[in-house]
Amino acid sequence: AQKVTQAQTEISVVEKEDVTLDCVYETRDTTYYLFWYKQPPSGELVFLIRRNSFDEQNEISGRYSWNFQKSTSSFNFTITASQVVDSAVYFCALSEARPGNTPLVFGKGTRLSVIA
Amino acid sequence: KAGVTQTPRYLIKTRGQQVTLSCSPISGHRSVSWYQQTPGQGLQFLFEYFSETQRNKGNFPGRFSGRQFSNSRSEMNVSTLELGDSALYLCASRGGTWADTQYFGPGTRLTVL
Repeated sequence: AQKVTQAQTEISVVEKEDVTLDCVYETRDTTYYLFWYKQPPSGELVFLIRRNSFDEQNEISGRYSWNFQKSTSSFNFTITASQVVDSAVYFCALSEARPGNTPLVFGKGTRLSVIA
Repeated sequence: KAGVTQTPRYLIKTRGQQVTLSCSPISGHRSVSWYQQTPGQGLQFLFEYFSETQRNKGNFPGRFSGRQFSNSRSEMNVSTLELGDSALYLCASRGGTWADTQYFGPGTRLTVL
């Protein structure tokens, strides 16, 4: 069975601080996809990134960066120089990389509050 | 391209009633999935439709059903509403292959009194 754990329920930081959101996953599949979504107060889940299990290269997009480590089954997300607009709930998710039953399995989410 | 749209955005119903939620996917997307989000259970998969056929189903009772039309728009129906059905219902669309990323709509917040 697949499982995603986001141990940090809530994080509060002061603006311009760096913050890392942790994500640990479990799966028996050798190929899978990992995702991060952002949910602002409006409720919509906003897609941030997708990684394939065979590609462990870290990625940077502006102030966002992701660290994928297969050895520790982790896919952590770092926001550099956080801003108030980053305040949201962030979800890590996993899906199998094969035809058929491939729904997203989500973690419980981490609520990030950035204080001005 | 316009994103995923869901209507209505808010609904208030009473126990025992039924409700229908609508989702229009991103233009060109053929797959629509539905998820339920509650504070206690988090985000849970309900079902996925592709080309008017249910492709996958989550672990929900038969009171939850859905369908997809030829234009890829989808509806979700919940019959005999219970208090526990109060949730944010999110719709997601993707191109159609299992490898595509799912993009979500703003959700419908259902309150059952």
